[in-house]
Amino acid sequence: DTGVSQNPRHKITKRGQNVTFRCDPISEHNRLYWYRQTLGQGPEFLTYFQNEAQLEKSRLLSDRFSAERPKGSFSTLEIQRTEQGDSAMYLCASSLGQGKQPQHFGDGTRLSIL
Amino acid sequence: AQSVTQPDIHITVSEGASLELRCNYSYGATPYLFWYVQSPGQGLQLLLKYFSGDTLVQGIKGFEAEFKRSQSSFNLRKPSVHWSDAAEYFCAVGAWRAGNNRKLIWGLGTSLAVNP
Repeated sequence: DTGVSQNPRHKITKRGQNVTFRCDPISEHNRLYWYRQTLGQGPEFLTYFQNEAQLEKSRLLSDRFSAERPKGSFSTLEIQRTEQGDSAMYLCASSLGQGKQPQHFGDGTRLSIL
Repeated sequence: AQSVTQPDIHITVSEGASLELRCNYSYGATPYLFWYVQSPGQGLQLLLKYFSGDTLVQGIKGFEAEFKRSQSSFNLRKPSVHWSDAAEYFCAVGAWRAGNNRKLIWGLGTSLAVNP
């Protein structure tokens, strides 16, 4: 069990640029989640996948955000035309889908928009 | 609506003192409750969870929590705090659909400082 891995750990970019983050879940976990966390707040749910299917998206996930999990393993989260308000920690978690299994988190990707 | 409230934004305790962090939830069905800890710049680590059964659950690092349905609470406790426990603590309730893990709804967190 190597844990949930997220890359990069930090991303600094100029406003208007596109960014992409990657998440590698724990290998046997079929569910993968994305959350966003701003300073002093708890995480906010963005979206989750069961294998390659995206089952739910939050209203927080505007049309500039897109997430994929093409082969049911790793996932990417892309933000297009970044804005100042996108600055946050983006957290990925994974879990076994069936039953009452806890979510295991990666260390996150911190995005800073200049 | 489902929600989690952590009434204390910040708590300071002395090393060796006991600790209780409060968590109240609002959820229409049987709640599945979690406590996570987050150190600065890090992800979230699961401390303990409650699904059913014994309402007093034991977790890692000497933490425990008690589920009280009548009070809609799931408070986290530790009898003797160590300096390394200084971190942000989050309570969360799991939202489930058809028995499957769906998403977590989080409180705003309690920041714990430990005085030497």
